Amino acid sequence: DTGVSQNPRHKITKRGQNVTFRCDPISEHNRLYWYRQTLGQGPEFLTYFQNEAQLEKSRLLSDRFSAERPKGSFSTLEIQRTEQGDSAMYLCASSSGGDTDTQYFGPGTRLTVL
Amino acid sequence: GQNIDQPTEMTATEGAIVQINCTYQTSGFNGLFWYQQHAGEAPTFLSYNVLDGLEEKGRFSSFLSRSKGYSYLLLKELQMKDSASYLCASWDSNYQLIWGAGTKLIIKP
Repeated sequence: DTGVSQNPRHKITKRGQNVTFRCDPISEHNRLYWYRQTLGQGPEFLTYFQNEAQLEKSRLLSDRFSAERPKGSFSTLEIQRTEQGDSAMYLCASSSGGDTDTQYFGPGTRLTVL
Repeated sequence: GQNIDQPTEMTATEGAIVQINCTYQTSGFNGLFWYQQHAGEAPTFLSYNVLDGLEEKGRFSSFLSRSKGYSYLLLKELQMKDSASYLCASWDSNYQLIWGAGTKLIIKP
């Protein structure tokens, strides 16, 4: 079990640039979640996939954000035209469903927008 | 509305016991999680409660009262490595996890 992995771990970009992050979930997990977390706050839900289907997307999420999970395995999160307010830790989690549906998190990608 | 409240920060002494409280208001209740998060790292799963009562796992225990919308995490025999943020999260009726802001626990020698 290699756990959830995310790449890159850190990303520094200039305002207005596009960035893409990747998440590889635990291999047998069919559910994948993206969260954003800023200092001193809990994770904020962004979107959720069951296999390749995107089932939920936060109403607060700007249309600059898009996520895909084309083959039901890894997922990518893209932010277009980044803004300084996008600076945060982007966390990916996966779960297998079941009674508790416990989510297991990756190490996160820390984004800094200059 | 949906809301989870927990204290912002707590301080305790190495070897002691500390209780971190969490109150929740969600449109539906389908279970409550506790996660530990060290600075700069991802949250790691500690416990899950869906029925009333106490669940014990080694030095950590978690309690739930559904009628009161209340949970606590109890940490015994505190060690310096327990210094971290502790996050409470609950499923809402849409099966999204609603997270508290976390309680930063500072352990002093």
